[in-house]
Amino acid sequence: AQSVAQPEDQVNVAEGNPLTVKCTYSVSGNPYLFWYVQYPNRGLQFLLKYITGDNLVKGSYGFEAEFNKSQTSFHLKKPSALVSDSALYFCAVSASSGGSYIPTFGRGTSLIVHP
Amino acid sequence: DAGVTQSPTHLIKTRGQHVTLRCSPISGHKSVSWYQQVLGQGPQFIFQYYEKEERGRGNFPDRFSARQFPNYSSELNVNALLLGDSALYLCASSSQGRESEKLFFGSGTQLSVL
Repeated sequence: AQSVAQPEDQVNVAEGNPLTVKCTYSVSGNPYLFWYVQYPNRGLQFLLKYITGDNLVKGSYGFEAEFNKSQTSFHLKKPSALVSDSALYFCAVSASSGGSYIPTFGRGTSLIVHP
Repeated sequence: DAGVTQSPTHLIKTRGQHVTLRCSPISGHKSVSWYQQVLGQGPQFIFQYYEKEERGRGNFPDRFSARQFPNYSSELNVNALLLGDSALYLCASSSQGRESEKLFFGSGTQLSVL
């Protein structure tokens, strides 16, 4: 069975500072990894994904994520946080084989960016 | 182009009742998935449909059923509602339903069971 862990329920960061939202995964086979963001009373919006290739993936709104196979991690990062980045962030994993092609989501991390 | 649309946006039901939730995918998308999101949790997979065929089912009781129509829209039905069914129900569409594809989510239907 595949799974995703987001170890922090909440991350607090000051505006202008770098941010990191952590994600680790467990899957059989090669993973496909995703980050989604959810604003209040809205559905999830796609930020970025890792399929293969360069371990550093760049996505929407200045976000990027680093795939680390040895640590089975896919942390979300942004060099300079904005107040408008405050939202709920979800990591998800699916698998090309061995695991499930249907993505499994983590429980989410609430990002709060303080002015 | 319109995004994924879901109706209704909010719904209040009582225990034992039946509910039907509706979803229209992005034009051209043939795959629709349904997720249940309980407050404080990530989305939990319920069903995936592709070309009107069920391709996957999550760990939900038989009270939950779904179907996809020829125009690729979809309905999620829940019978004999329980208090624990209160959640945000999300519909997501993708072009082919492949594991590498990103999902496009609707804004969801907030179901409250009293």
